[in-house]
Amino acid sequence: DGGITQSPKYLFRKEGQNVTLSCEQNLNHDAMYWYRQDPGQGLRLIYYSQIVNDFQKGDIAEGYSVSREKKESFPLTVTSAQKNPTAFYLCASARVYPPGELFFGEGSRLTVL
Amino acid sequence: KNEVEQSPQNLTAQEGEFITINCSYSVGISALHWLQQHPGGGIVSLFMLSSGKKKHGRLIATINIQEKHSSLHITASHPRDSAVYICAVSQGGSEKLVFGKGTKLTVNP
Repeated sequence: DGGITQSPKYLFRKEGQNVTLSCEQNLNHDAMYWYRQDPGQGLRLIYYSQIVNDFQKGDIAEGYSVSREKKESFPLTVTSAQKNPTAFYLCASARVYPPGELFFGEGSRLTVL
Repeated sequence: KNEVEQSPQNLTAQEGEFITINCSYSVGISALHWLQQHPGGGIVSLFMLSSGKKKHGRLIATINIQEKHSSLHITASHPRDSAVYICAVSQGGSEKLVFGKGTKLTVNP
């Protein structure tokens, strides 16, 4: 079945460590997105990519990094520079032309100890 | 000020009731999305619309471009409809989506 897979579902990190969240899709979508969700707030865009080997910063990119070496994969690294990394992270993908609906992964919950 | 406002923030209903969730936005848009977030956190796209009305099963979404307002209706609500419903508007491509804070719906049996 086509879909978008995030892993791990739960992740614990010590302060000062980098962690990488995986996002894979087999929907043949060109666009992929990373969002952060905090309690009581709407989803906020971290990074997005509309084509392989290219990505753009979203509204809250500081302390995060991404890569897009393959169309299917868009991993997110939460670096030690991110001041408040404990959050729920959602990956999504979509068709670019014509614009299509978003397909989301199940999310990854990161807790910094 | 959030450009997308949803009301109500929380909604409790009895099984079988007709549900309406509202979304107002302040900017010109190319499309409006309704999303459903399950208690486990996963999000499913319900509708993407730019005009008129769409229906899928017991769910109906309407949009009034002139009034900058959209509604999501659930007919014959069921406990499995309990979730957070999120409105998002696009001002261009999906990278320009602005999300509302969500409406938490609880349907009691």
